[in-house]
Amino acid sequence: ETGVTQTPRHLVMGMTNKKSLKCEQHLGHNAMYWYKQSAKKPLELMFVYSLEERVENNSVPSRFSPECPNSSHLFLHLHTLQPEDSALYLCASSQSTGGQETQYFGPGTRLLVL
Amino acid sequence: GQSLEQPSEVTAVEGAIVQINCTYQTSGFYGLSWYQQHDGGAPTFLSYNALDGLEETGRFSSFLSRSDSYGYLLLQELQMKDSASYFCAVRDEGNTGKLIFGQGTTLQVKP
Repeated sequence: ETGVTQTPRHLVMGMTNKKSLKCEQHLGHNAMYWYKQSAKKPLELMFVYSLEERVENNSVPSRFSPECPNSSHLFLHLHTLQPEDSALYLCASSQSTGGQETQYFGPGTRLLVL
Repeated sequence: GQSLEQPSEVTAVEGAIVQINCTYQTSGFYGLSWYQQHDGGAPTFLSYNALDGLEETGRFSSFLSRSDSYGYLLLQELQMKDSASYFCAVRDEGNTGKLIFGQGTTLQVKP
């Protein structure tokens, strides 16, 4: 238990569906991240939020839409996804220190797009 | 740009010692971290080196040489449960706290 929770843990959706992934951190951190991890591949950073402001968007398609209503919650809204978007989506949080920051990851949402 | 290199796979037997190397190229340096990820699980933080030398935490140790832009993770008395992927990471040169991860090394521990 890292203090970062994600729901749902598993999600199956069709290409026309709209769904949202939720992440909540109980660590008092001020930065949150979304990563995508496809099978047998490394972590791909998608979005970074620092102090509730999006500070990075790594050329992610517009069918992925993040939302950070406060420093403890992060959402990833999904619509009209493609089968190649099937992956493990990981949320992480950290505390900005000006130096190296340890990231604490949630358990992930395993997404399957049919 | 920033990049990290680590071997893609390592195999060892139970009880043995294994070393996973990581070389990096960065414009600024804030230290080297290691994360462990079991298949289907979330990455978990293992260790962090900001200064040269060896940091020991139980069976795991991590080493850093800043002059060589090189570090390694040393796993001793290997157990079957150590079979996982291991990622080295450095902080991005920007101010976002973003980490740049290596490609990961898959460690397979055999009986």
